Amino acid sequence: GAGVSQTPSNKVTEKGKYVELRCDPISGHTALYWYRQSLGQGPEFLIYFQGTGAADDSGLPNDRFFAVRPEGSVSTLKIQRTERGDSAVYLCASSTGPQETQYFGPGTRLLVL
Amino acid sequence: QKEVEQDPGPLSVPEGAIVSLNCTYSNSAFQYFMWYRQYSRKGPELLMYTYSSGNKEDGRFTAQVDKSSKYISLFIRDSQPSDSATYLCAINSGGSNYKLTFGKGTLLTVNP
Repeated sequence: GAGVSQTPSNKVTEKGKYVELRCDPISGHTALYWYRQSLGQGPEFLIYFQGTGAADDSGLPNDRFFAVRPEGSVSTLKIQRTERGDSAVYLCASSTGPQETQYFGPGTRLLVL
Repeated sequence: QKEVEQDPGPLSVPEGAIVSLNCTYSNSAFQYFMWYRQYSRKGPELLMYTYSSGNKEDGRFTAQVDKSSKYISLFIRDSQPSDSATYLCAINSGGSNYKLTFGKGTLLTVNP
């Protein structure tokens, strides 16, 4: 079956712009996670959704970052007033539940110029 | 001190070699230990998942956990060029905890 998909695969933007990154989880997976992977680092947790609600957003670095999952399926990560330090690969993962195996998408490579 | 430490390498070995990849962790609450493989420009994919101390084998891969030393290992036997990737250890404390804490990853190249 289809895995986790993310769009766009690459995004180049200018400092100060707004960006949206989309994640389509595996069908039927109720849990969805966003991670950020900087160059040469492992993924770092950003936010976890169970259904439509953000159960834990403690990993979001500041209030420029926001994520939604309005219908409990697709999620969008939104970054306002982008900064060069936001450049990274943003990974989405989904699972059947919070204690189950997380399946990752290919990521969106964000470059802020 | 980071919660999970992993030597980033890079590690280069000839085809057929035995590869040993390692991580150490600091939080004794960690109970679940995973190894993910990440090919270039792809997302991480789960390779191995262990809970208790000891060894778990899957084909050419063996995951080893030593909770007393807070040390986890992944061994790859008869390494193949297709094993060339970044290997990430990931840990969480189980229960209702869903956050994975990753190491930096070790870049492995297996040369034909």
